Amino acid sequence: DQQVKQNSPSLSVQEGRISILNCDYTNSMFDYFLWYKKYPAEGPTFLISISSIKDKNEDGRFTVFLNKSAKHLSLHIVPSQPGDSAVYFCAASLGGSNYKLTFGKGTLLTVNP
Amino acid sequence: NAGVMQNPRHLVRRRGQEARLRCSPMKGHSHVYWYRQLPEEGLKFMVYLQKENIIDESGMPKERFSAEFPKEGPSILRIQQVVRGDSAAYFCASSPQGVEQYFGPGTRLTVT
Repeated sequence: DQQVKQNSPSLSVQEGRISILNCDYTNSMFDYFLWYKKYPAEGPTFLISISSIKDKNEDGRFTVFLNKSAKHLSLHIVPSQPGDSAVYFCAASLGGSNYKLTFGKGTLLTVNP
Repeated sequence: NAGVMQNPRHLVRRRGQEARLRCSPMKGHSHVYWYRQLPEEGLKFMVYLQKENIIDESGMPKERFSAEFPKEGPSILRIQQVVRGDSAAYFCASSPQGVEQYFGPGTRLTVT
């Protein structure tokens, strides 16, 4: 039973345009959501997070939107750059005293020059 | 401030041998999480430790796998009598407290 789903295995966008990566979850008890970027043969790098009490968080070119009623979140990257090409993982945590993360399977983003 | 360090980066073991993976958290971080990534999959939680305590091992197989985070030194994930299905990338993450976790580069275990 996959609690965090990234239904698009890959996404291709042009440099300078917006990249939108989507994530759905099934467990309404999740309290925090995070996005990580991962290059081959490296560990995931933290990008941005959002608490379930918010619906938007912004950090530079990265914005995460949360729609609790739809159990959906998205990561917007604008403008997209070739260096953004990587696998992006959505993750969720129940919070409390244990912040273990439940990950989606990832979306491979390719930004074309 | 050095990031999370894992060693070795690559480990090859024959079936039946033991694998020992090490993780040094970031300075000041007392929470360590281990995750495993199989090919074409996302990361799966294995175990959450604080210094000298296992807080949650619900994602770790009951047999052959163990983890520790001693008062001094790195966290260790130990896999005894490895099998081919243990071949994966093992990532450790550390956190000062709270939800943001910082990952190491991973150890790629290959069982032949």
